[in-house]
Amino acid sequence: AQTVTQSQPEMSVQEAETVTLSCTYDTSESDYYLFWYKQPPSRQMILVIRQEAYKQQNATENRFSVNFQKAAKSFSLKISDSQLGDAAMYFCAYRSPYSGGGADGLTFGKGTHLIIQP
Amino acid sequence: DADVTQTPRNRITKTGKRIMLECSQTKGHDRMYWYRQDPGLGLRLIYYSFDVKDINKGEISDGYSVSRQAQAKFSLSLESAIPNQTALYFCATSDHPSQPQHFGDGTRLSIL
Repeated sequence: AQTVTQSQPEMSVQEAETVTLSCTYDTSESDYYLFWYKQPPSRQMILVIRQEAYKQQNATENRFSVNFQKAAKSFSLKISDSQLGDAAMYFCAYRSPYSGGGADGLTFGKGTHLIIQP
Repeated sequence: DADVTQTPRNRITKTGKRIMLECSQTKGHDRMYWYRQDPGLGLRLIYYSFDVKDINKGEISDGYSVSRQAQAKFSLSLESAIPNQTALYFCATSDHPSQPQHFGDGTRLSIL
């Protein structure tokens, strides 16, 4: 079974600065998908960014980018020019491409609480 | 209207009661999921379904059951609720594994 580890329970950053949230995972699969989800106080789960393991290019969505290191099994999220609205819980998640044998769904890390200081 | 709708949004009930949480979707996805979120533990998979005839247990299915009434509807039941089932419950949908899952707004369940 896959595991996802987020080693930073909480991070704090000044508004307009850059912050990086770490995520590592353990898998024996060579192909898979990785996601970052944001959960603001409203408790919605909002997709931030996704990465396909077979693509070497790091995904980018506006101020959000990832540093995907497949060999190291690392998938960190960088938020540039932090804004007050970025304050939230951030979850890293893994998904296998295979859905047989009872395996499907996302495997989540425990989350990182991001605080933005004005 | 939301693509994935969960009802109720909040529920407080007593130990031993039967509870049903409902989820409906308009995205036309075949795959539907129930997750549970506890503070400090992230989200964990309870059950998932590929279609009305294909339902599978997830990581933490004990104490829960599900019903897929139609492609668009997937309900989660607690037959006899206990306090440690107090949590935030999410329904999600997806089509292909490469695509993100789409989540409802969650049901906060408190069992006294």
